[in-house]
Amino acid sequence: SYELFQPPSVSVAPGQTASITCSGDNLSEIYAHWYQQKPGQSPMLVIYQDSRRPSGFPERFSGSNSGNTATLTISGTQAMDEADYYCQAWDSSTAHVVFGGGTKLTVL
Amino acid sequence: QVQLVESGGGVVRTGRSLRLSCVGSGFTFSGYGMHWLRQAPGKGLEWVAVIWFDESNEYYADSVKGRFTISRDNSKNTLYLQMNSLRAEDTAVYYCARDRVTYLSPNYEFDYWGQGTLVTVSS
Repeated sequence: SYELFQPPSVSVAPGQTASITCSGDNLSEIYAHWYQQKPGQSPMLVIYQDSRRPSGFPERFSGSNSGNTATLTISGTQAMDEADYYCQAWDSSTAHVVFGGGTKLTVL
Repeated sequence: QVQLVESGGGVVRTGRSLRLSCVGSGFTFSGYGMHWLRQAPGKGLEWVAVIWFDESNEYYADSVKGRFTISRDNSKNTLYLQMNSLRAEDTAVYYCARDRVTYLSPNYEFDYWGQGTLVTVSS
């Protein structure tokens, strides 16, 4: 079955750029989506279809997907961005939804 | 604004059944595919099931196939998850979520989530 792999944790200083990766076989051939989950809260869609941002979501969040890796980039990271981030894709060949294991972003 | 409110969670014995509900408001409920997802304590996200906007199709994760049934009542703006033969590994917070696209087959992009309801299965 298809799998997505994320680093367990990423740290970034306030104001710097954070990059969170998500790896899967030929991931660029399907869409990758990203969700933010703050402690005690429900997940929130932050990037869909590789690089599209839901209306009203901060422009400092961006995404890309190339080769085997999708990347969520947070520019000018703020303390409020500290959260768990999950990548997700839909494998149409198996009709299975796949999530990465999640990455805990710490803003130092 | 879009709101999804789950209910029906609780503590249940292994092998028993439970039905979850999710009421949607602030959008045309009947126009969207709807999903159930879950998150075991301290763990990641797992997709459970989807139902088309018009109830024409439903699909399940292998882990729940044959035990769980997703359904909806568009006249009541309500999504359901009937869970039978519950196992300890079904213990999780269950979320309902809206698919991002309307009046089409789902894109499996979850743009709004409810607050979740906790299901605890114990022996």
